[in-house]
Amino acid sequence: NAGVTQTPKFQVLKTGQSMTLQCAQDMNHEYMSWYRQDPGMGLRLIHYSVGAGITDQGEVPNGYNVSRSTTEDFPLRLLSAAPSQTSVYFCASRRISGVYEQYFGPGTRLTVT
Amino acid sequence: KQEVTQIPAALSVPEGENLVLNCSFTDSAIYNLQWFRQDPGKGLTSLLLIQSSQREQTSGRLNASLDKSSGRSTLYIAASQPGDSATYLCAVTHGANSKLTFGKGITLSVRP
Repeated sequence: NAGVTQTPKFQVLKTGQSMTLQCAQDMNHEYMSWYRQDPGMGLRLIHYSVGAGITDQGEVPNGYNVSRSTTEDFPLRLLSAAPSQTSVYFCASRRISGVYEQYFGPGTRLTVT
Repeated sequence: KQEVTQIPAALSVPEGENLVLNCSFTDSAIYNLQWFRQDPGKGLTSLLLIQSSQREQTSGRLNASLDKSSGRSTLYIAASQPGDSATYLCAVTHGANSKLTFGKGITLSVRP
């Protein structure tokens, strides 16, 4: 199993540009989520999904959109990038029954200039 | 609202020392608690998961304990090595569809 994969690893955007961060998992996990990690702020939940077709907002959803058309994929869209969105973004997945250990992807480091 | 605290934020110890990392949480109605390791510039790696019905979990030199009633968990690292240098985060969840709430982590440095 590849686990949770994210692309790209690094990205530089100009203010106002849009882009999509990709996330995929091959463990058939129902629950997928996006976090951003900033120095001194810890990990903050952006959006999450408990299954295909179901998404919901986390703590810091403004400026981001998500969709979940398949179990495997959970892309994160930045609609109009702002310098405040400079961060490291992590995708994670887990089951929602039994012992649901959370697995993280390697992260995408995004800089908005 | 659940809050997870990890103190101190940083710790430096000499190689070979046994050490304990602390995690506290305000709402004891958790479903499970997970400890993660994060190396600089990398993602989070799961170390141990403790279900609410369990008191501890062990993996190699690592032992995690959970005391729900007091809202505390500890991660014990035996015979620390320089390769253990990393940031250690704990996180709790309240149920199947609930999010993980993270502490801010403890950055551990093990000196040779």
